[in-house]
Amino acid sequence: AQSVTQPDIHITVSEGASLELRCNYSYGATPYLFWYVQSPGQGLQLLLKYFSGDTLVQGIKGFEAEFKRSQSSFNLRKPSVHWSDAAEYFCAVGELWGSARQLTFGSGTQLTVLP
Amino acid sequence: DAEITQSPRHKITETGRQVTLACHQTWNHNNMFWYRQDLGHGLRLIHYSYGVQDTNKGEVSDGYSVSRSNTEDLPLTLESAASSQTSVYFCASSEGTGPRLGMNTEAFFGQGTRLTVV
Repeated sequence: AQSVTQPDIHITVSEGASLELRCNYSYGATPYLFWYVQSPGQGLQLLLKYFSGDTLVQGIKGFEAEFKRSQSSFNLRKPSVHWSDAAEYFCAVGELWGSARQLTFGSGTQLTVLP
Repeated sequence: DAEITQSPRHKITETGRQVTLACHQTWNHNNMFWYRQDLGHGLRLIHYSYGVQDTNKGEVSDGYSVSRSNTEDLPLTLESAASSQTSVYFCASSEGTGPRLGMNTEAFFGQGTRLTVV
């Protein structure tokens, strides 16, 4: 079975600073990778996804992520954080598990943005 | 606009009671999922369905059941609620059929149901 690790439980950055959220996965085949964001009291919204091709993918709200097979990583980045980016971020991998096809999520990273 | 809605948004129930959480989507998606979200665990899959009359157990299915009688709805039932089932529950849906479904298509999430078992 695969796993997804988000090593940072909580990150604090100042508004305007750059951001990188880490995600490592364990999966034998080429993974399908996702980043979701969850604002307080809300469901999850897809930021971006990687299936194949260009390893640098662009998402909504100015986010991007880079797939690095050699490091089994799919880190999320943003060059300049806005106060509205404060939320919880989840990395997920699409899994083929027997006959089951579903997402496995990391435990999340809570982002706090200081004014 | 198409959407996925959960009800109720908040519920408090007593240990041992049967509870049903509703999930309704108007995307006409084949695939529907129930997750629970707990601190330090992220989202864990409870049950899922790839179409009408199809249901499958996920990672943490004990004490839960689902039924899929139509495309739009996947209600989640807690047969006898336990304090360990206090959690936030999310329903999700995605399109697609075939062996790769659910892996390369976006899942849309409801806003969640906060369940407290006392």
